[in-house]
Amino acid sequence: AQTVTQSQPEMSVQEAETVTLSCTYDTSENNYYLFWYKQPPSRQMILVIRQEAYKQQNATENRFSVNFQKAAKSFSLKISDSQLGDTAMYFCAFMKGSNPDKLIFGTGTRLQVFP
Amino acid sequence: DTGVSQNPRHKITKRGQNVTFRCDPISEHNRLYWYRQTLGQGPEFLTYFQNEAQLEKSRLLSDRFSAERPKGSFSTLEIQRTEQGDSAMYLCASSLEGGRVEQYFGPGTRLTVT
Repeated sequence: AQTVTQSQPEMSVQEAETVTLSCTYDTSENNYYLFWYKQPPSRQMILVIRQEAYKQQNATENRFSVNFQKAAKSFSLKISDSQLGDTAMYFCAFMKGSNPDKLIFGTGTRLQVFP
Repeated sequence: DTGVSQNPRHKITKRGQNVTFRCDPISEHNRLYWYRQTLGQGPEFLTYFQNEAQLEKSRLLSDRFSAERPKGSFSTLEIQRTEQGDSAMYLCASSLEGGRVEQYFGPGTRLTVT
């Protein structure tokens, strides 16, 4: 069975600074996907970034980038130039690649961006 | 392109009553997923459909829960004889088989059982 662990319940960062959220996972699969989702207060879950396990290159989306370490089963999210609108819960999620189906989520990290 | 919609957004019910939620996926998406999220936790998978076929159900989905997607478009999730432990946010997501695997989420239905 796959598990996803987010060991940082809460993080805070000042506006314009950089913050890194941690995620580790456990799986025996070789082909899979990893995602970061953002859930702002009282708003819906939004996809931030995705990574395919077979790709060595780390994914980037504007101010968001990941550090994917397959051997270590680590998948951290770096947010550069933090903005007040980045305040949210961030969830790391795993999906099998062989027959993509359900997402397995971590418990989330609450990020607060301060002015 | 409209996103995933869910109705109602909030539901308060008394213990023992039945409730039904509806999810309308993104129009061309043939996969539809239901998740449950309790306070302070990540979403947990309940069930998913490919077109009208229900392909997997979690052990979390007790006999009191049933989900349908009769015409492969919208889906309903019914909870019979609600219990206080059913209080949670029920999330729906959709994706397109064979293409990008990302799941797009709706705003959720918050259920409170009193």
